Amino acid sequence: DGGITQSPKYLFRKEGQNVTLSCEQNLNHDAMYWYRQDPGQGLRLIYYSQIVNDFQKGDIAEGYSVSREKKESFPLTVTSAQKNPTAFYLCASSVGESGKLFFGSGTQLSVL
Amino acid sequence: GENVEQHPSTLSVQEGDSAVIKCTYSDSASNYFPWYKQELGKGPQLIIDIRSNVGEKKDQRIAVTLNKTAKHFSLHITETQPEDSAVYFCAARGGGGADGLTFGKGTHLIIQP
Repeated sequence: DGGITQSPKYLFRKEGQNVTLSCEQNLNHDAMYWYRQDPGQGLRLIYYSQIVNDFQKGDIAEGYSVSREKKESFPLTVTSAQKNPTAFYLCASSVGESGKLFFGSGTQLSVL
Repeated sequence: GENVEQHPSTLSVQEGDSAVIKCTYSDSASNYFPWYKQELGKGPQLIIDIRSNVGEKKDQRIAVTLNKTAKHFSLHITETQPEDSAVYFCAARGGGGADGLTFGKGTHLIIQP
């Protein structure tokens, strides 16, 4: 089955710790995105990448980092600089200029 | 940048009735307007979309209308069913290209039996 796989489904972060969320897609899409979702809020763009080895900051990039070494993979690191990391994180991909986003099932990050 | 407002935040309708969710956007260059449905604990799923050169689009019980002059678009669901209960998000893509979507804050649709 083609799709986007996010792991883990649940993740806990300790004070001062960096954590990495995984996102893998086998849709052969060029563009990949990370969104953050807070209760009662819309989705806010953290980072996006339109091509391998290139990525751009979104609206709320502070405290996050990404890499895009392979077309299939776009991991997100939540650093200790992100003081309010508790949220539901969604990875998405899209093809060409269509604008259609396909989402993974998300990772819920909580602080211990 | 683009700003998308969505109303209402919660909508409760009787099963079989129609539901309408409305969104406004700020960037007149926006050219793509999708709607997503999100069930609890899952990622959003695209249910219908419309481009700026079209005024209305239908897919079975779901329709979307776009008024470019007023910069607003709406989702219409007819003959609602229990499985329609979910959170619905509208979104807009600005004229700048494939750099992601700007989302509304969502509408929690509740279908009363």
